[in-house]
Amino acid sequence: QVTLRESGPALVKPTQTLTLTCTFSGFSLSISSSSGMCVSWIRQPPGKALEWLARVDWDNDQYYSTSLKTRLTISKDTSKNQVVLTMTNMDPADTATYYCARIVDINMIIDYWGQGTLVTVSS
Amino acid sequence: QSALTQPASVSGSPGQSITISCTGSSSDVGGYDYVSWYQQHPGKAPKLMIYEVSNRPSGVSDRFSGSKSGNTASLTISGLQAEDEADYYCNSYTSSSTLVFGTGTKVTVL
Repeated sequence: QVTLRESGPALVKPTQTLTLTCTFSGFSLSISSSSGMCVSWIRQPPGKALEWLARVDWDNDQYYSTSLKTRLTISKDTSKNQVVLTMTNMDPADTATYYCARIVDINMIIDYWGQGTLVTVSS
Repeated sequence: QSALTQPASVSGSPGQSITISCTGSSSDVGGYDYVSWYQQHPGKAPKLMIYEVSNRPSGVSDRFSGSKSGNTASLTISGLQAEDEADYYCNSYTSSSTLVFGTGTKVTVL
């Protein structure tokens, strides 16, 4: 059974760095597993569209949204089954529900999603 | 990477068919068959409805179908039902090895 759960602060101040953790179960991201799985972060501002942010693959390749690349870092801790996203220089425009999700790398299917966590950026 | 273009809204009466378009470029939709569609009800996480342009995951109604022509992918919902009222998003793999979502379409059942 595959599950993903996001955790992190609900409120951050402008210019601060956001750190979100995705804790997952039911699959592996370890290199030794050659699982072919990836984890992505996706966000959705209130009332607006989904926006893909970043992806880390089982072989530790990392990919970022072109528009946010300079502010994002994604990493994995296979021993804890966790993926961490950091986003620097937070702005009120970054207020959104942040989702982590599993991707199957052979066909880029986003097949399982976390419930999402709302992050508000305000002073 | 610009968002894929979808109509803001589409509506139909129960039993009718509707089609949602998703237009990109040769660097995403037109270049790969890794196009998927997601349904999102208010306050819920998205749900996979179509993958690889036209494949349905197990458990998804066969009223949902997908296709692609050139740089435009399409999702068709036939026999529209009240439960189909939701937001729909397309998604594509890109030439930069990233993913990109569409602008989203609100489906209203009249």
